[in-house]
Amino acid sequence: QKEVEQDPGPLSVPEGAIVSLNCTYSNSAFQYFMWYRQYSRKGPELLMYTYSSGNKEDGRFTAQVDKSSKYISLFIRDSQPSDSATYLCAMSATGGGNKLTFGTGTQLKVEL
Amino acid sequence: DAGVIQSPRHEVTEMGQEVTLRCKPISGHDYLFWYRQTMMRGLELLIYFNNNVPIDDSGMPEDRFSAKMPNASFSTLKIQPSEPRDSAVYFCASRLGGGRNEQFFGPGTRLTVL
Repeated sequence: QKEVEQDPGPLSVPEGAIVSLNCTYSNSAFQYFMWYRQYSRKGPELLMYTYSSGNKEDGRFTAQVDKSSKYISLFIRDSQPSDSATYLCAMSATGGGNKLTFGTGTQLKVEL
Repeated sequence: DAGVIQSPRHEVTEMGQEVTLRCKPISGHDYLFWYRQTMMRGLELLIYFNNNVPIDDSGMPEDRFSAKMPNASFSTLKIQPSEPRDSAVYFCASRLGGGRNEQFFGPGTRLTVL
């Protein structure tokens, strides 16, 4: 079993929809949780960064962490065609901040 | 800032050949990372450096892979000899020291071994 599980999709939604992307993990030592966005043929770029449990909001994006369930989510409100990309969750343990464990990514397509 | 720079962007080679991938991290960053991305396994950390010193190479798949960082502005990942199963996109990333774990990725090198 992988340490981080992520549905690969593809997920197709109409413009303006609310998108929910999720990851589950098995390592209870993970304390830092990130979401990266990767456009086709590009490197990943950091989208959201959270420490421990709770919510974080940045514009149309909200990241949620539920450590009791080992479950993290990324919500995208008012989705736009420019949000079409692959979204990778990543996480690391306290003191192990350099060793990020990534999910395999969810491919999202927002259609006009 | 130009961001992390990788070269070449694409590499096609034949099995058994030596392959060298290059990376220039963002100036001032203390850490440099090499990753490999495939459809099946996703993004995997191969090795990372701190202040030019290799810290953890546990992700390097086998002895055919080696990485060096001779100075703060340059790193190489070498595969010798290359095999078809090495075909993947290889990313270099860098970050500042300190608590925040934000890594900045380069555009990647797409390697195809025939």
